[in-house]
Amino acid sequence: IAGITQAPTSQILAAGRRMTLRCTQDMRHNAMYWYRQDLGLGLRLIHYSNTAGTTGKGEVPDGYSVSRANTDDFPLTLASAVPSQTSVYFCASSEEAGPYEQYFGPGTRLTVT
Amino acid sequence: AQSVTQLGSHVSVSEGALVLLRCNYSSSVPPYLFWYVQYPNQGLQLLLKYTSAATLVKGINGFEAEFKKSETSFHLTKPSAHMSDAAEYFCAVSGGTGRRALTFGSGTRLQVQP
Repeated sequence: IAGITQAPTSQILAAGRRMTLRCTQDMRHNAMYWYRQDLGLGLRLIHYSNTAGTTGKGEVPDGYSVSRANTDDFPLTLASAVPSQTSVYFCASSEEAGPYEQYFGPGTRLTVT
Repeated sequence: AQSVTQLGSHVSVSEGALVLLRCNYSSSVPPYLFWYVQYPNQGLQLLLKYTSAATLVKGINGFEAEFKKSETSFHLTKPSAHMSDAAEYFCAVSGGTGRRALTFGSGTRLQVQP
């Protein structure tokens, strides 16, 4: 593993189903993030974690939850998917000190039907 | 609160022409500023970053950006566009109180015409 991996690469999901997007990093970064990318809106922060055991809400947290049991993993869960959650999801990590340069995973393309 | 505005969702230039992508930011504290590039169906790759060490920042692939505090701008330039520069470009800011996460602009799609 080099950098950040995300799984699955893409997924089609029926509305109302539960889904967990996986994210793993091997850079030992304390901070990790989940963003969603939508056309014309850039990337928006869903949730973040500054260190293992802590999480926080970003700009668009509704309908999503995260956990941070250890440094390397930061899964994102959609408890009951809705079509508006169709998006491309990116996981990222950064070092603890500024400038907080972020390293991104390859993304997960999710379609909720 | 921080915000980023990218003027022009689409920019088209001819191969060999100057590339200028505009970014203005709003931040209550001295910011860290970034430009990222995204090629089709890929993740984001860092082009360059401003961390207050120098106002003119050079990045990869011949790109550079100048931080202008008086104009709250961080425009991205490249003297001569290549076909391979066609991609989407995002300006982002971080560094607000307790905020490590990035605030992104809406992106500018660069087309390079032969």
